[in-house]
This record gives sequence, structure tokens and C-alpha cells, in this order.
Amino acid sequence: DADVTQTPRNRITKTGKRIMLECSQTKGHDRMYWYRQDPGLGLQLIYYSFDVKDINKGEISDGYSVSRQAQAKFSLSLESAIPNQTALYFCATSDSGTGGTETQYFGPGTRLLVL
Amino acid sequence: SQQGEEDPQALSIQEGENATMNCSYKTSINNLQWYRQNSGRGLVHLILIRSNEREKHSGRLRVTLDTSKKSSSLLITASRAADTASYFCATGRGSNYKLTFGKGTLLTVNP
Repeated sequence: DADVTQTPRNRITKTGKRIMLECSQTKGHDRMYWYRQDPGLGLQLIYYSFDVKDINKGEISDGYSVSRQAQAKFSLSLESAIPNQTALYFCATSDSGTGGTETQYFGPGTRLLVL
Repeated sequence: SQQGEEDPQALSIQEGENATMNCSYKTSINNLQWYRQNSGRGLVHLILIRSNEREKHSGRLRVTLDTSKKSSSLLITASRAADTASYFCATGRGSNYKLTFGKGTLLTVNP
């Protein structure tokens, strides 16, 4: 969905490096999420934010941090990358005004390889 | 940990056949959603069914929900090669509206 963009799309980095993945959305949604997907597995929630001043840990937040710079921007940082953080990372958004249905809209993903 | 578990893990059928995928979950839910993922791409929302609904249709998709058995099924009728993708169920529960995704079913539709 072009309304949710992620940069970079692919990234190779080395163990110990700090990297940032960025997400921007033009859907006007207040809620944003970061997920991680490993091969053959479903999505695991890393962090989520229900508005600019609200940040919450998900299932697997260790080793990650996030920043909600504006309603439209939500970035994910790996403070010191390690090989088992090699995965496909997705940003998603949803609208709290949908009466609790919470359909989520996903970006195209960032493929991260940590050597 | 995943709330939903899809079954089967992989399904291969011929074009024109119907495809049925199942999802089981463990706790009470507000709604259950199905998403589709083409290889290496972002997930796309297909259909949502609320906990007080039993069946829902959208085009060639039919979703059922049995809250007593904590299970849902997704039926794709008259499948096409373009339906080849992974299909995930996701459950929404509680007041914080987070979704919990299963591991997915990989559907291959052979031309």
C-alpha cells in the first residue's frame, strides 16, 4: 500500500552497528505498529503507538527502540544489531475511529540482514 | 506467542478448485481478520468478522467463525493462479485493539 512507506527497503549491516528503519504514512491514522517476520513464521509485534505521546512495548521489544516523531512518522532503531535480528520488518497503521475493528494497513517491508 | 494457528501450513491446488484454510485461537476475541501476503511483501487485509457474526462473504471469499470452537475458516472459491500467497488470520481482543497473527497458510494455485 503506497500510503504506508518504509525506508530503506533493503539493508545489510554488521553486528554492533546502530541502524534506523523509518516509516511514513499518508492515511491520517493515529495508530502505528512495528512487526518482525521470520521465515515461515507469523508477525511478532515489536512496538506500537496509539498517538504521538503514546509508546508501548510489544511481544519482542528487547534490543529495539522506537520514536514517534509525528503522527505520520514512526521509526524503529536497533541500538546494536545482532545476527538474530535478521528478518523482514513491517510497519503498519490503523485508525482508532473504526469502532474497534482495527484493520491494519501495511508498508512494503524492510529486509534486514545483520552479518 | 501467537494467538491464532492456521491449518494446513501449506496447501497446493489446481486452478478452479476451492481452497479452505482454518484458524484456531485460544482466548475470547472481539474480531478475527484474514490477511494475504504475496511473497516478501506487506500484508493486505481481506476480510473481518466480528465475534457476534457467524459468516461473511466478500467476492470469492467466505469466512466463518465458530466462537464455541474458537475457530474460523477462509474459503476461496474458483481459485486462480494469482491467489497464490500466504494467508494469515489475526485476532483482535481486549480494549487495546492489538492484533495477534498466526503463522499462516501458504497457498499455491497451479495453472
